[in-house]
Amino acid sequence: QKEVEQDPGPLSVPEGAIVSLNCTYSNSAFQYFMWYRQYSRKGPELLMYTYSSGNKEDGRFTAQVDKSSKYISLFIRDSQPSDSATYLCAMARAAGNKLTFGGGTRVLVKP
Amino acid sequence: KAGVTQTPRYLIKTRGQQVTLSCSPISGHRSVSWYQQTPGQGLQFLFEYFSETQRNKGNFPGRFSGRQFSNSRSEMNVSTLELGDSALYLCASSLAFSGGEQYFGPGTRLTVT
Repeated sequence: QKEVEQDPGPLSVPEGAIVSLNCTYSNSAFQYFMWYRQYSRKGPELLMYTYSSGNKEDGRFTAQVDKSSKYISLFIRDSQPSDSATYLCAMARAAGNKLTFGGGTRVLVKP
Repeated sequence: KAGVTQTPRYLIKTRGQQVTLSCSPISGHRSVSWYQQTPGQGLQFLFEYFSETQRNKGNFPGRFSGRQFSNSRSEMNVSTLELGDSALYLCASSLAFSGGEQYFGPGTRLTVT
């Protein structure tokens, strides 16, 4: 079993809809949680960074972390065709900067 | 502020050869990590350096090695290339010693024939 599980999708939504993404994990040592967006043949782009449990909002993006359930989420409001990409969750322990990634969810926003 | 840069962007090598990839982190960042991305395995951690010291190493054979210089630039080397080493190699830099935000470069796409 992988340490971080993420539904590969694809997730297809109409323009303007809310995109809901999530990851589950098994290692309770993870303390830092990140979401990345990756366009085809590009490097991952950091979208959201959170520490421990709670919510964080940045523009159209909201990240939620529930450490008791070992579950994290990313919501994208008012989705645009330019949001079509693969979204990766990543986690790190308290020591070091090693990231453990989910497999990524491919999202398609249709005009 | 310039982002993470990686050179070369594309590389084609033959089985048995060796290759060196370079990464320049964001100015001021002293942590550099390397990852391999393949369609089958996703993003996998290779190793992490901070202030010229390797702090973490992933589950890759000894053919994969790296180093970091005093200016924080990093290189990774793969010797005796195998077909399975074909992948996107990504470098990430961070300002923090631990748990920091990590910013990725565009990657080096390595094809082994």
